[in-house]
Amino acid sequence: VLTQPPSVSGAPGQRVTITCTGSSSNIGAPYDVYWYHVLPGTAPKVVMYANTNRPSGVPDRFSGSKSDTSASLAITGLQAEDEGDYYCQSYDSSLSGWVFGGGTKLTVL
Amino acid sequence: VQLQESGPELVKPSETLSLTCAVSGYSITSGFYWGWIRQPPGKGLEWIGSIHHNGNTYYSSSLRSRVTISVDTSRNQFSLRLSSVTAADTAVYYCARQECSGGGCYPQYYYMDVWGKGTTVTVSS
Repeated sequence: VLTQPPSVSGAPGQRVTITCTGSSSNIGAPYDVYWYHVLPGTAPKVVMYANTNRPSGVPDRFSGSKSDTSASLAITGLQAEDEGDYYCQSYDSSLSGWVFGGGTKLTVL
Repeated sequence: VQLQESGPELVKPSETLSLTCAVSGYSITSGFYWGWIRQPPGKGLEWIGSIHHNGNTYYSSSLRSRVTISVDTSRNQFSLRLSSVTAADTAVYYCARQECSGGGCYPQYYYMDVWGKGTTVTVSS
């Protein structure tokens, strides 16, 4: 339902963007988008809520945006600790439930 | 707020998977949705279902026929039952609190703000 690129990568200090493409029944409805960071063996952690809002403790290197049926998570000044899997999430009116993207693996080179 | 999943690590095919999520630091009846999410090996996150503090439930369309989520207010916990399991149900199962981010707190404004550590369930004979 939500489509993400399988992987992105960047060198330390660089900027990367992870996209999340949906449809008129979710992101384009318009419903808000949320982003989670998952490290192996650990619980997911929300890094962006309601499209553009950072929870306390998340560095301002993280930013979110949304337009029409897509959303993006941008990370500037890449650090090794940013590695892991990132998932977008929204609500879908056709499915009457919450949906996740397929996940994007971020590698810091 | 802390959430802790518990339940059998191994379930036989065709049987029912049962997990419980104990909530501490917050009364489950005070608000929010409470949800279950899973991650099969090598795959992404999949929302299973959620229960509102008033008892209303939402289930994934792909799992609706097999899923039941309930709340035990006396123990401040909520539970997941998934029937007729197969190997495809092998996954790490997470419970999570779903917080409202605004907008009148309709379902579309909820997200998973607090997660349990997850529990691995394997379906095998």
